Formats: sequence, C-alpha cells, structure tokens
Amino acid sequence: NAGVTQTPKFRVLKTGQSMTLLCAQDMNHEYMYWYRQDPGMGLRLIHYSVGEGTTAKGEVPDGYNVSRLKKQNFLLGLESAAPSQTSVYFCASSYGRGANQPQHFGDGTRLSIL
Amino acid sequence: AQTVTQSQPEMSVQEAETVTLSCTYDTSESNYYLFWYKQPPSRQMILVIRQEAYKQQNATENRFSVNFQKAAKSFSLKISDSQLGDTAMYFCAFMKLYSSASKIIFGSGTRLSIRP
Repeated sequence: NAGVTQTPKFRVLKTGQSMTLLCAQDMNHEYMYWYRQDPGMGLRLIHYSVGEGTTAKGEVPDGYNVSRLKKQNFLLGLESAAPSQTSVYFCASSYGRGANQPQHFGDGTRLSIL
Repeated sequence: AQTVTQSQPEMSVQEAETVTLSCTYDTSESNYYLFWYKQPPSRQMILVIRQEAYKQQNATENRFSVNFQKAAKSFSLKISDSQLGDTAMYFCAFMKLYSSASKIIFGSGTRLSIRP
C-alpha cells in the first residue's frame, strides 16, 4: 500500500523561484493537510482541505498556495520562494476528523531555498 | 490560543528501562484529543497512542501508556521495557475540532535515545 506519497523528496531552489510540491494519497481520504517542520519545533499547519475543491488556511499560510482539484491530490505551491521557507514539508491525510481516524503522514520533502 | 509544551529536549535511557516523556498543554476547550507521535530517523511520522479528553481511563498500547491528568493539563507518555527501535523524536500533539476540519498543534519534541 502506497499510503501518502510526496514528490519530490528533496529540492534546492533559488530565492524568487517557484515550485509545486505534490501529495498523493490512495486511501480515499477526504481530509488532507500540509505542514512544515523546522528545527527544534513541531509541525505547523500551513493549509488543509476537507474535500475535493476546498482549501482552508492553517497557522502559517503566508507565502503558500494550495489546490485540491482531485480528491487524491493536494498541491502546495510556492510562488516566490524565500530563505525563510527552507524547511521539511509533510503532507498528511485522514478519512475524517475524529480521534479514531488519525492522520497518515508522508515521508516529507526537504526544501532548501538559497 | 492552544499551546503544547515538551520540557525535555533530550532523554537517554538504557535498553529495557522504563522512560516517561512529559507534555503539558494549555487550552480553554473542553472537547479535544491528545496524541503522541514518533518520528524515527527515517523522518516518517508514526502515531504511537491517542487519548480522548472525555475519557478518564488512560490509553494503553502494548508497551506505551499515557498518564492523562485533565485538570493539570498534563499528558505524559510512558515507554516500558524500552527497545533500541524506540530511538526517535517524540512529539506530543493536541487536536482541536472545528466545524470544518481538525487541526493539530505539536510540541517541539523530545529526542529519545535508547542505549544498548
């Protein structure tokens, strides 16, 4: 079972460049999430989606955009990358929002902005 | 705003020993969930154990158990008979429920090392 797959696993960008991180899940989950993890900190929610065609802001949404055109995919975009966006990005998905439906995480994408 | 505090940045114990990781949180919510996640060097986030705030009974999952003190807003994780494979970062997390989705707030983590 693939679960949650993130593409790419590593990327180096120059300041001002744009890119899109792809998250794909094959579990038919309704909810999908994008987090960033910085050294010494836990995960912080960037954006999330409660279903196809819907998105909402999390704790740290500035500088990022997302799209959920298909239920299985959740894209995270950086329009103009900044060094402050150097981080490890995690995607997660869940069937619902209850505690009996935990979030399943991808393996992360390490993004460096020079 | 909710916060989650893990006051132990690093811990190290001998294999087979018992270790307790502490976590405190602050919230005005009455209905919420608490989790412990494990992140090994492979970087994947793995759910270890979860607790519903309305349940007084502490959750247990094999060698992992929690001590949930709702009034004190404390949620510690006890690992019994620790194993080398338990070496990882451990994150305490608080989940709050909105009408549209759930959000998770993570603590800063505790790096646990199990020595052979």
